[in-house]
Amino acid sequence: NAGVTQTPKFQVLKTGQSMTLQCAQDMNHEYMSWYRQDPGMGLRLIHYSVGAGITDQGEVPNGYNVSRSTTEDFPLRLLSAAPSQTSVYFCASKLAGGREQYFGPGTRLTVT
Amino acid sequence: QQQVKQSPQSLIVQKGGIPIINCAYENTAFDYFPWYQQFPGKGPALLIAIRPDVSEKKEGRFTISFNKSAKQFSLHIMDSQPGDSATYFCAASLIRGNKLVFGAGTILRVKS
Repeated sequence: NAGVTQTPKFQVLKTGQSMTLQCAQDMNHEYMSWYRQDPGMGLRLIHYSVGAGITDQGEVPNGYNVSRSTTEDFPLRLLSAAPSQTSVYFCASKLAGGREQYFGPGTRLTVT
Repeated sequence: QQQVKQSPQSLIVQKGGIPIINCAYENTAFDYFPWYQQFPGKGPALLIAIRPDVSEKKEGRFTISFNKSAKQFSLHIMDSQPGDSATYFCAASLIRGNKLVFGAGTILRVKS
């Protein structure tokens, strides 16, 4: 199993550009989520999904969109990037009945 | 506001020492308290977790102490090693591990 994979590993965007961060898992996990990590603030939940076709907002959803068309994939879209979105983004997944979340390796995003 | 407060921000100990990282939470409905370990350039990985009906849990050199009445929990690392140098996050969640709320993180350095 590859576990949770994320692409790209690094990305630089200009203010106003859009892009999609990709996340995939091969563990047949129902629950998937996106977090951003900023110094001194830990990880904060952006959006999550409890299954295909079902998404909901987390703590910091503004400026981000998600969709979940398959169990395996959970892309995160930035419609109009802002410098405040400069961060490291982590995708995670877990079984619906489980407690442990498995994190991907992260995407470091810089918005100039 | 931060629902889980973690201290200290950073910690340096000698090899063999016992670093202690503390966390406090506000929401008494939290039902799962994990600790995650993160190495530079990697995603967080679950280290150890506890539920509120247990006051202590040990896994190898790692111990969680949990004080439900004080709404506090802590991580102790026995006989710390240089390989334990990492960032440690406490977290809390509702609903079986969904929607993790993280502390700000503690950067631990174990000197050899």
